[in-house]
Amino acid sequence: KQEVTQIPAALSVPEGENLVLNCSFTDSAIYNLQWFRQDPGKGLTSLLLIQSSQREQTSGRLNASLDKSSGRSTLYIAASQPGDSATYLCAVKRGADGLTFGKGTHLIIQP
Amino acid sequence: NAGVTQTPKFQVLKTGQSMTLQCAQDMNHEYMSWYRQDPGMGLRLIHYSVGAGITDQGEVPNGYNVSRSTTEDFPLRLLSAAPSQTSVYFCASSSWALGEAEAFFGQGTRLTVV
Repeated sequence: KQEVTQIPAALSVPEGENLVLNCSFTDSAIYNLQWFRQDPGKGLTSLLLIQSSQREQTSGRLNASLDKSSGRSTLYIAASQPGDSATYLCAVKRGADGLTFGKGTHLIIQP
Repeated sequence: NAGVTQTPKFQVLKTGQSMTLQCAQDMNHEYMSWYRQDPGMGLRLIHYSVGAGITDQGEVPNGYNVSRSTTEDFPLRLLSAAPSQTSVYFCASSSWALGEAEAFFGQGTRLTVV
């Protein structure tokens, strides 16, 4: 059974810092890995999708990497801002039976 | 572009009542799915559908029914609500190309069963 772990569970940093969120998964036979953002009481917003054949994806200040063989992904956030405060979720797709999610990293950026 | 639309946003049910959570997408996606999100548990898959007329069970299907009569709609039915079904429910859709299939989520339905 695929298991996804996100470390740390919570993180609080001052504005302007660069930071790294970690995601690990137990079964490397995945189709893709997706990072989401969830604001309190809201739905999931897709940030980045990395296909299994790719090593990284970038969108603005966000960069996600994927090392399938070691079962790891990182989400790098550059020059963090208070508006980046949210819960960040990592999910992997192994087949037609949906996504397997980690429990998330709750991020607070202090002004 | 509406994307994935869920209704209602909030609902309170009494134990034993039934209801249907609605989900519609306007992206012509073949694949649709339902998740529930509980504190400390993360999101877990309830049911999914790979196309009209085809549905299958996910990780936590007990107490829920689904059907897929059209590409656009994928309703989730609670047959006899129980307090353990108090949760936030999310519907998602994606295209069928597995490797390239970015998932899009609705805004969620917050359900309380008393």
